[in-house]
Amino acid sequence: DTEVTQTPKHLVMGMTNKKSLKCEQHMGHRAMYWYKQKAKKPPELMFVYSYEKLSINESVPSRFSPECPNSSLLNLHLHALQPEDSALYLCASSQAWGDSRYEQYFGPGTRLTVT
Amino acid sequence: DQQVKQNSPSLSVQEGRISILNCDYTNSMFDYFLWYKKYPAEGPTFLISISSIKDKNEDGRFTVFLNKSAKHLSLHIVPSQPGDSAVYFCAASPQGGSEKLVFGKGTKLTVNP
Repeated sequence: DTEVTQTPKHLVMGMTNKKSLKCEQHMGHRAMYWYKQKAKKPPELMFVYSYEKLSINESVPSRFSPECPNSSLLNLHLHALQPEDSALYLCASSQAWGDSRYEQYFGPGTRLTVT
Repeated sequence: DQQVKQNSPSLSVQEGRISILNCDYTNSMFDYFLWYKKYPAEGPTFLISISSIKDKNEDGRFTVFLNKSAKHLSLHIVPSQPGDSAVYFCAASPQGGSEKLVFGKGTKLTVNP
């Protein structure tokens, strides 16, 4: 099973709202990722969690707040977003990297629209 | 500064023929490369990867070739099928065990029946 699930599929929120995106995997992966993808652009890395600890933050604005409650779950809390934050948000997971390299498996994404 | 480049935004081939998708990189620290396929409204799907210690990796209809001296890799799909029509992203990771992947802008492949 190489499935990563994400909820919701679509989200429309106002600039003053607070919402959360959720991601789940049951492959025993210990690294989880959030990416942002705009139309006709490649995915851009936002955050990486390795063994439930934040290991990479790509200078993402504080209105995006990640959380990793356990090894299977990854959340992205959203607050006071701007219209330019509208994008496809992708979650991915992989075995934790060390000396070996592992492919990342992506979820279907959450299509976020900020009005 | 784009470290992973896919210079062809689109490619069209006939069903049954070979599809060749190209990718160039500029960072000599990259040592692990992957190809992903993406359908509209879905997340990228992992296809195949290659480590810099190899120059070829094959999986069924998909073969990836790596030319380190030219900093170039290519994905060959033989034979191409209409279901292969998608956007293909090349991605690379630097040495040091980093989980970070750098993606190219993608090439849209259309396989015509």
